[in-house]
Amino acid sequence: KAGVTQTPRYLIKTRGQQVTLSCSPISGHRSVSWYQQTPGQGLQFLFEYFSETQRNKGNFPGRFSGRQFSNSRSEMNVSTLELGDSALYLCASSTGLAGGLSEQFFGPGTRLTVL
Amino acid sequence: GESVGLHLPTLSVQEGDNSIINCAYSNSASDYFIWYKQESGKGPQFIIDIRSNMDKRQGQRVTVLLNKTVKHLSLQIAATQPGDSAVYFCAENLSGSNDYKLSFGAGTTVTVRA
Repeated sequence: KAGVTQTPRYLIKTRGQQVTLSCSPISGHRSVSWYQQTPGQGLQFLFEYFSETQRNKGNFPGRFSGRQFSNSRSEMNVSTLELGDSALYLCASSTGLAGGLSEQFFGPGTRLTVL
Repeated sequence: GESVGLHLPTLSVQEGDNSIINCAYSNSASDYFIWYKQESGKGPQFIIDIRSNMDKRQGQRVTVLLNKTVKHLSLQIAATQPGDSAVYFCAENLSGSNDYKLSFGAGTTVTVRA
């Protein structure tokens, strides 16, 4: 069974640009969560999607947005990039079914560098 | 080896010894907790989870203890091996019972000495 895949793995952008990151969850998983990891702030929750709907949102500005498609694949977008957006962006998937939380599987992440 | 108290960023342990990693969580209403292991260049990997109606759960070589009174979580690794060298994170779920909103601890870097 293939794991969570994220593309691209590495990305370099300049301030003011926008970026779109992609995540393909494990087959059959309907919940996709996004996290930002930086040395200073650690791992921080961005948002969670389930069946194309955002279920939860973290404390990030509106420049950070996401969406989920009918095949459960998800994208996140960051507009008007700032230097502080340089981070490892991680995607995690789980079945998301009712009846209690199940294990989340993380992808390898996309390393975004903003110059 | 043991990271004593609320949190120590690093823990050095002799191969074969037991490791104890401690973590404090913030929300007394959290009902789901997870330990993750992250190796360099990889995403976090699930180790073990525990729900608030339990105070102990065991896995293969790992045990998680939950003390809701003091909002404390610990991970015990038995017979630590070189492959256990990694950063370990605890996480609490701030949302409901069916959806995710994880809040992660700062992480503890475990180094296993041969």
